[in-house]
Amino acid sequence: EAGVTQFPSHSVIEKGQTVTLRCDPISGHDNLYWYRRVMGKEIKFLLHFVKESKQDESGMPNNRFLAERTGGTYSTLKVQPAELEDSGVYFCASSLAGGLTDTQYFGPGTRLTVL
Amino acid sequence: AQSVAQPEDQVNVAEGNPLTVKCTYSVSGNPYLFWYVQYPNRGLQFLLKYITGDNLVKGSYGFEAEFNKSQTSFHLKKPSALVSDSALYFCAVRDFNNNDMRFGAGTRLTVKP
Repeated sequence: EAGVTQFPSHSVIEKGQTVTLRCDPISGHDNLYWYRRVMGKEIKFLLHFVKESKQDESGMPNNRFLAERTGGTYSTLKVQPAELEDSGVYFCASSLAGGLTDTQYFGPGTRLTVL
Repeated sequence: AQSVAQPEDQVNVAEGNPLTVKCTYSVSGNPYLFWYVQYPNRGLQFLLKYITGDNLVKGSYGFEAEFNKSQTSFHLKKPSALVSDSALYFCAVRDFNNNDMRFGAGTRLTVKP
């Protein structure tokens, strides 16, 4: 069974540019999560999709970040325009159920560098 | 709000020795606790979780963790470390009051031959 995949693995852009990250969850997982790890700090929650609906987007830092999950399959996270502080590793995770005890399975992450 | 602390940025052990990676948590309700490991250039891999029941939880790759409610701790342990265990370890917590999973800052484990 394929795990969670993310594309690209690395992205280097200049401040003010736009970047779109993609996540493909494990097949059949309705729940999809985005997280971010900045500068070696803790991994922070960004948002949670249940199928195509945003269940919780309380962790999104500001309106420069836009997440979508059209059709309830893969998800994209767009940063527009990117700022220096957006640099970090963006992780995607998926789970079969969305309960608090359900295990989330993570992708390899996308390392974003904003110059 | 719930939070997790991993007090050690770095843990060094010799191969064959027991290892412990520490984690303490703070929640307002009953905690659901998780350990993940990140190997170089890989995503986070699930190791184990505590939901309820037996305080000693066994997980993948010979790891185990002990839930201690009075000390609000969930330390990760392994009786005999391998060089291949060298990686970045994250502790995480969820509770009924919050949907999101809160992670610690991570502990880098280095096992030397």
